[in-house]
Amino acid sequence: AQKITQTQPGMFVQEKEAVTLDCTYDTSDPSYGLFWYKQPSSGEMIFLIYQGSYDQQNATEGRYSLNFQKARKSANLVISASQLGDSAMYFCAMREGLLMAGNQFYFGTGTSLTVIP
Amino acid sequence: NAGVTQTPKFQVLKTGQSMTLQCAQDMNHNSMYWYRQDPGMGLRLIYYSASEGTTDKGEVPNGYNVSRLNKREFSLRLESAAPSQTSVYFCASSDGTGGETQYFGPGTRLLVL
Repeated sequence: AQKITQTQPGMFVQEKEAVTLDCTYDTSDPSYGLFWYKQPSSGEMIFLIYQGSYDQQNATEGRYSLNFQKARKSANLVISASQLGDSAMYFCAMREGLLMAGNQFYFGTGTSLTVIP
Repeated sequence: NAGVTQTPKFQVLKTGQSMTLQCAQDMNHNSMYWYRQDPGMGLRLIYYSASEGTTDKGEVPNGYNVSRLNKREFSLRLESAAPSQTSVYFCASSDGTGGETQYFGPGTRLLVL
């Protein structure tokens, strides 16, 4: 079974609108971390936001928020007020297990977001 | 502050040749990682090093070896390159003691003919 599933290969959003990128995960470990990364066409991987499995509140970083629904095992990324510079690939990732116990990281296949002027 | 650096940026190999991808970080991070990124596959973890002196296999370790030379450097070696190893390779590091963010290098594009 896939550890991270991103079901939206491509998404379009109008500039200044909000968009939600879907991510579901699969783990039986009670300790895990969930991440979102942005990869522009230039190729670098840019960290956006992190949510720990024990965090009570949804993570927010500026225009990015993570909609964490633990029972559903979903960790959707919400981008508010989209900008042209948000056009990129977006990857959801999971660190399984305790950080100090060694790390297994899993990435989804990504969602390509295009912001339309 | 350079962050995570990788060399080379681009390499072409013939099948059977060997090479080492170099990675260094200047953030005093404990943990380092090697990933490969293939079209439609996302990133897959090859090997990681939770701390200096330790290395562990990730999801796709076959055909690779790693060395955690010191706290700063983590190299990835292909002993006998195969066309299936054509990919973009990313090195990353993280604090590993509570800092969750992984910082990525710029990537190495490898083409095996």
